[in-house]
Amino acid sequence: NAGVTQTPKFQVLKTGQSMTLQCAQDMNHEYMSWYRQDPGMGLRLIHYSVGAGITDQGEVPNGYNVSRSTTEDFPLRLLSAAPSQTSVYFCASSWTSRGDNEQFFGPGTRLTVL
Amino acid sequence: GENVEQHPSTLSVQEGDSAVIKCTYSDSASNYFPWYKQELGKRPQLIIDIRSNVGEKKDQRIAVTLNKTAKHFSLHITETQPEDSAVYFCAASFDNLFFGTGTRLTVIP
Repeated sequence: NAGVTQTPKFQVLKTGQSMTLQCAQDMNHEYMSWYRQDPGMGLRLIHYSVGAGITDQGEVPNGYNVSRSTTEDFPLRLLSAAPSQTSVYFCASSWTSRGDNEQFFGPGTRLTVL
Repeated sequence: GENVEQHPSTLSVQEGDSAVIKCTYSDSASNYFPWYKQELGKRPQLIIDIRSNVGEKKDQRIAVTLNKTAKHFSLHITETQPEDSAVYFCAASFDNLFFGTGTRLTVIP
C-alpha cells in the first residue's frame, strides 16, 4: 500500500493564480481531510469529507474548494492564490466516517504564493 | 468549535530525563485525544492516543493521562533519547480533529 500520497511536493504560485493539490489514498478510508500548517499555529482543518460525494467546511475554508467524486481522491483547489495561503498542506485519511480515529497523513505540499 | 491549548511551546531536557507536555480543551463532547510526533520536514505520525473512558494509557516510554473533569490531558516521555527530539502535537476530537499549537522538544545528549 502506498498509503496517502500528495502531489506536488513543492509549488510556487503568483498571486491570483489557481491550482489543484492532489491527494489520494489506497486504504479504502471513508474520512479524508485537508489541513494547513503554519509556524506557531499547529494544523488547522480546511475541509473534510466523510465519504464519496460528501464534503464540509473546517476551521479555515475561505479561498479553498474540494470535491470527493471517488473514495480514493480528495483534491484541494485554490481559486485565486493569495500570499496568506503560503503554507504547508497536509492531506489525511481515517478508516471511520469521522475524525475520531487515527489519521494517516500524506507527505505534505509546501506552497509559496508570491 | 473546539479550542485546544498546548504548553510549553519549547522544552529542552537532558538525555535520560523525563518530559511532560500539557494540553487543555474546551468542548466537553470531545472523546478522542491523540498525540502526534512530527520530525523536521516530515508528516505528523500518531504516537499514542486515549479515549474518554480511559484515564491513562502507556506504551513503553510514553504515557498519556486524561482528566475529563478538568478537561486536560498530558503526554509523558520517560528516559528521553536524542531521537525523541521533534515537535509534538496534541489534539482533541468529537467528530473532527482540532490540534494544539505544538511543543518543540529538544533532548540534549
